[in-house]
This record gives sequence, C-alpha cells and structure tokens, in this order.
Amino acid sequence: EPEVTQTPSHQVTQMGQEVILRCVPISNHLYFYWYRQILGQKVEFLVSFYNNEISEKSEIFDDQFSVERPDGSNFTLKIRSTKLEDSAMYFCASSGRTSHRETQYFGPGTRLLVL
Amino acid sequence: SQQGEEDPQALSIQEGENATMNCSYKTSINNLQWYRQNSGRGLVHLILIRSNEREKHSGRLRVTLDTSKKSSSLLITASRAADTASYFCATVSNTDKLIFGTGTRLQVFP
Repeated sequence: EPEVTQTPSHQVTQMGQEVILRCVPISNHLYFYWYRQILGQKVEFLVSFYNNEISEKSEIFDDQFSVERPDGSNFTLKIRSTKLEDSAMYFCASSGRTSHRETQYFGPGTRLLVL
Repeated sequence: SQQGEEDPQALSIQEGENATMNCSYKTSINNLQWYRQNSGRGLVHLILIRSNEREKHSGRLRVTLDTSKKSSSLLITASRAADTASYFCATVSNTDKLIFGTGTRLQVFP
C-alpha cells in the first residue's frame, strides 16, 4: 500500500542553523501539507501546497519557513534559522488524487530537536 | 477559530469493552476525520465522515456526526490491548487544512 515517507526520522541541530525536512508524498497525490506537534500538544497546521505554490499557511509559518517541491517526488520544509521553540515532531501529509478535502495521509514524522 | 475538543482526555478500559470518544467543534465543516497516534509515532487515518452523513462504520469502528450539535463520536467495539493509543478528531471546513482536537488517550488493559 502506498505511503508517505519522511527523512530523517530524527534531527538534532543547534539554534540558528538551517534544517531541511524531506517528504515523499504518495504518488499521484496533488495536495501536500506540513503539520507539527510540539510534545504533549495538539497537531497544528503549518502550510498546504498545490500546483507548485502555497495555497494556505498558518501564523506559525513565518518568513523562517519555506516549502519546495524540487522535483516530481520530494516535498521539503526548510527552517532557515531554527529556534528552541521549533523543537517538535513535523509531519508531512498528502491527499487528493481527484479533489481536495479528502483523506490526508500522514508520514511517520521527523522529530526535530533544537539545542 | 475552529477548534476540536475531545472528551474524555483519557480513558482506561478492559479488553473486550467498548470505548467511546467524543469530539466537539465550533464552525461548519465539510468533513470530519478521526486519526490514531501511537506514542511518539505518526498519525494513522481511521475514518472520514462527510457533513451530510450521520453515521459510518469501518470494522470495529463506528463514527457518528451531529452537525446540529457540532459533535462527533468514535466508538471502538470489543477493544483490544493493541487499540491503546491517542485518538484525534480533525475537521475540514472550506479550506484544505485539518484542524485537530486535543485528543483522547485510550488505555486498554489485557
């Protein structure tokens, strides 16, 4: 069964460093998302991406964040200058072979720790 | 803003018993989805129910939706120890994003 994959599974970085989190969505899906979950808190929406552009972003997704689909398979989230409060589990999701607002399938997540 | 709240926050039951989790939200929705998360792991999609549906079944799962009360429930029948996890509802309104609730931690004792 097709699934969303994410790399790395864990990332430790120093404050101020750039990190790139990678995701491979399900093939033929058209809509891509990033969410994050700070330890012990609810899952929060960061950004949605469709047709090679951001379709929606949350207040969390400030200028330090960017997303890219550099080729036909990868979907990346870049944090330019990490802060302590960026420590969280980051989930990629994809949906929509035919339309949006369908089931979103999540990857296993990348646990980011900023020291 | 739209927000899902689950209750109870935590639920402990014995294997074989049924587990019922509730979710409330604040604004109109297109659909509501339930997800499961094992400790520190990814989110697994369980079931999606549309705003024009009232009930849906999938295996041992039964989901209801009451749009007049802006609430949904997830029933797991004949629970197993392997059902131990956190369960989240998530709503979709007129945009794509999922708005997650706070979750219910379910513990099923063998």
